[in-house]
Amino acid sequence: AIQLTQSPSSLSASVGDRVTITCRASQGISSALAWYQQRPGKPPKVLIYDASNLESGVPPRFSGSGSGTDFTLTISSLQPEDFATYYCQQFNTYDLTFGGGTKVEVK
Amino acid sequence: QVQLVESGGGVVQPGRSLRLSCAASGFTFSNYAMEWVRQAPGKGLEWVAIISYDGTNKYYADSVEGRFTISRDNSKNTLYVQMNSLRAEDSAVYYCARTLRGVSPSYFDSWGQGTLVTVSS
Repeated sequence: AIQLTQSPSSLSASVGDRVTITCRASQGISSALAWYQQRPGKPPKVLIYDASNLESGVPPRFSGSGSGTDFTLTISSLQPEDFATYYCQQFNTYDLTFGGGTKVEVK
Repeated sequence: QVQLVESGGGVVQPGRSLRLSCAASGFTFSNYAMEWVRQAPGKGLEWVAIISYDGTNKYYADSVEGRFTISRDNSKNTLYVQMNSLRAEDSAVYYCARTLRGVSPSYFDSWGQGTLVTVSS
């Protein structure tokens, strides 16, 4: 199965900060990558699909980039509701796999 | 508004079976492939299985292949997963999720709230 390595596993930031999370795939996956946000006790919510497409209803401060093996999720100006855990997911092949998650905490 | 509501979770002994259900509403259920994803307490996400819109195609994660069976009843707008020979490592919150691209590998655009399965003696 394709392994996804997210970094960092956690970070501390303040409201208004620019935040960048990376996801590296163990082999090339073209643009078959999604990003999710998960708040405690809630299901994940898709933010970005096909590496860079913003899901309908998601604020434009979220953006995604990359292709092949290296991907990035950027939050341009962190808002209070953005403190959560973020996961990448590849859908190039089955088994579908997720990264280990990045927890964004209050600094 | 898409709504997915899982049920059937609980505490079960190792080696026993459990069936989870997911009731769908707010969209034409029979038009969409559906999936199960799980999350062990405090851990990350793990894809479990997918079923095509008409139930004819199914794929499973290696970790559950041969033990879990995904199915659906389009007349009842309900997705199921039959889980046999349960192990401690199957303990997790199980989410049903909708996908938009048939049985081609895809992302999940809608999720239920999840149901907790605990495998313990």
